[in-house]
Amino acid sequence: KAGVTQTPRYLIKTRGQQVTLSCSPISGHRSVSWYQQTPGQGLQFLFEYFSETQRNKGNFPGRFSGRQFSNSRSEMNVSTLELGDSALYLCASSLGQGLDEQFFGPGTRLTVL
Amino acid sequence: KNEVEQSPQNLTAQEGEFITINCSYSVGISALHWLQQHPGGGIVSLFMLSSGKKKHGRLIATINIQEKHSSLHITASHPRDSAVYICAAPLEASNYKLTFGKGTLLTVNP
Repeated sequence: KAGVTQTPRYLIKTRGQQVTLSCSPISGHRSVSWYQQTPGQGLQFLFEYFSETQRNKGNFPGRFSGRQFSNSRSEMNVSTLELGDSALYLCASSLGQGLDEQFFGPGTRLTVL
Repeated sequence: KNEVEQSPQNLTAQEGEFITINCSYSVGISALHWLQQHPGGGIVSLFMLSSGKKKHGRLIATINIQEKHSSLHITASHPRDSAVYICAAPLEASNYKLTFGKGTLLTVNP
């Protein structure tokens, strides 16, 4: 089975722009979670989607949003980018219900100039 | 105070040494993850456990839910084990959002 894939792998944007990141989960996995990793804050939970519904949301401003499609692929969007949004954005997929093992993608490295 | 605490933050060892990384948490959980991240690399899930002990090759993870403590052990450490090791738990108090420790940077010298 193919692993979790994320596109693009690297992205450079300027302040004020918006960005959309994509995540394709492992086939058969219905849950996708997104995380932000920065040197200062470490790994932080952004949101989780299951069967196209947001099941959980972290403490991030409304500029961060996401969605999940019927094929379980997920996108996250960040609008009005700020310098502090520079980070590695990781998604992880799992089978879905309950406390399943999560499988991480390689991440998208976002740099905001 | 972070709800998931790891120690030590940094660990340097000589090849062949036995390594222990600790993780403690302050609220109720029903499972805990151990993750590995190589420099510049993605994250790999090593273990998810809710009780007792799990072993995979030279890696052993233990958890005591009542004492709110978990350990990751590496036997016969090797330079390729050099990585950041992170524990994470879906906290009941936060609707099972995965909460991460700050990570332990392990360097194994040949």
